[in-house]
Order: sequence, then structure tokens, then C-alpha cells
Amino acid sequence: GQQLNQSPQSMFIQEGEDVSMNCTSSSIFNTWLWYKQDPGEGPVLLIALYKAGELTSNGRLTAQFGITRKDSFLNISASIPSDVGIYFCAGSGGTSYDKVIFGPGTSLSVIP
Amino acid sequence: DVKVTQSSRYLVKRTGEKVFLECVQDMDHENMFWYRQDPGLGLRLIYFSYDVKMKEKGDIPEGYSVSREKKERFSLILESASTNQTSMYLCASSSRRNEQFFGPGTRLTVL
Repeated sequence: GQQLNQSPQSMFIQEGEDVSMNCTSSSIFNTWLWYKQDPGEGPVLLIALYKAGELTSNGRLTAQFGITRKDSFLNISASIPSDVGIYFCAGSGGTSYDKVIFGPGTSLSVIP
Repeated sequence: DVKVTQSSRYLVKRTGEKVFLECVQDMDHENMFWYRQDPGLGLRLIYFSYDVKMKEKGDIPEGYSVSREKKERFSLILESASTNQTSMYLCASSSRRNEQFFGPGTRLTVL
């Protein structure tokens, strides 16, 4: 079945550093979604991407929809302690009847 | 803002009990979903629904059932709780563009 891979699996960074993570698939998707989950909470939608090549920002976060439609990237600039959490990517065919496939997540730790 | 609420944040039940987890969304979304999340296993889809009275099995439906009598409410039922159903349960609803919005989760412990 369809699977998503996320890398890195975990990362430890110093406060103020920039962060990059990515998500890859063997299948093509028409929608890419990025979520953040705080410990003990539900995932929160950060950014949604609908078009190959699209670059979208949400504050210090920037995500890109890969040209091949098989990957997506998330960057966080000038990290702060509250960026700590697990970041999930998700891909979908794009219609409301398409299944959403979630990646395994990237765990981010920020050292003050 | 989209709001998805779940009836309990924490729940402790005994083996064999019938357990109801309730989820309500206020955005008039057609689609609703139930997932469980376990360390190392990610998000696994249990059941979903595209409309009132409709339900579809996800990847791990065994031991669970669902009910959707009203558009805004989607209930997950554990007919006879077992210890291997101890988990974090997440409800979500989605717009037509397939953006899923999650509730805060229910951490269920079955003793």
C-alpha cells in the first residue's frame, strides 16, 4: 500500500537554528499536509499544499510541494522552544473520497 | 476556527466493559474519522464516515464499531474492551479539500 517516509526521524537543535525536514513517497499525491503534534494533544494542521511546486508560508514555517508530486519539505526558521513536538506529513489524492496517508513523524527537540 | 471536541481526555475502563468515545465537530464537515495512535506505529485508521448513517472500515476495524446518527457527531464503540485497546484515540473531520482537523484525543487505559 501507499507509504510515506519522513526524515530525519528525530532531531535535536539549538534554539535559533533553522530546521529542515522532508517527506517522500513512491506514489504521486495531489495534496500535501503538514501537522504538528504536542505531547498528549491531537495533531494541528500547519500548512496545506495543493499544487506541484507550490511554496507556502505560515509565520516561521515554509513548506513546499515537490515538483515530482512525490515529496514535500518543511522548513522552520529561527527555532524557539515551543517548536518542540512531532511533525507529520500527510498525502492525499485531493478529493474528499481519497484516503489521507500519514507519515511516521519527525520528532523535534529544541535546546534552549 | 474549526473545532473538534472529544468527550473525554482520559478514560480508564476494565476489560470486558463497553466503551463509548464521542466526537463532535462544528464545521458542517461531511467526513469524520477515528484513529488510534501508538508509539512506533503512527496513526492507524479504525473507521471513517462520509455521511450520516454511513460508515466504512479503515485499516484496523476489528474490535470496534461506530455510529453516525447526526452529521456533527461520530461515536467509536469498543464492544468489549481489551488491554490491547489501551491507546490514544483521535477523532478528525475533513473539508472537501481533505484537510483533516483533529480533536485533542482521548487517552484510554483498559485494565
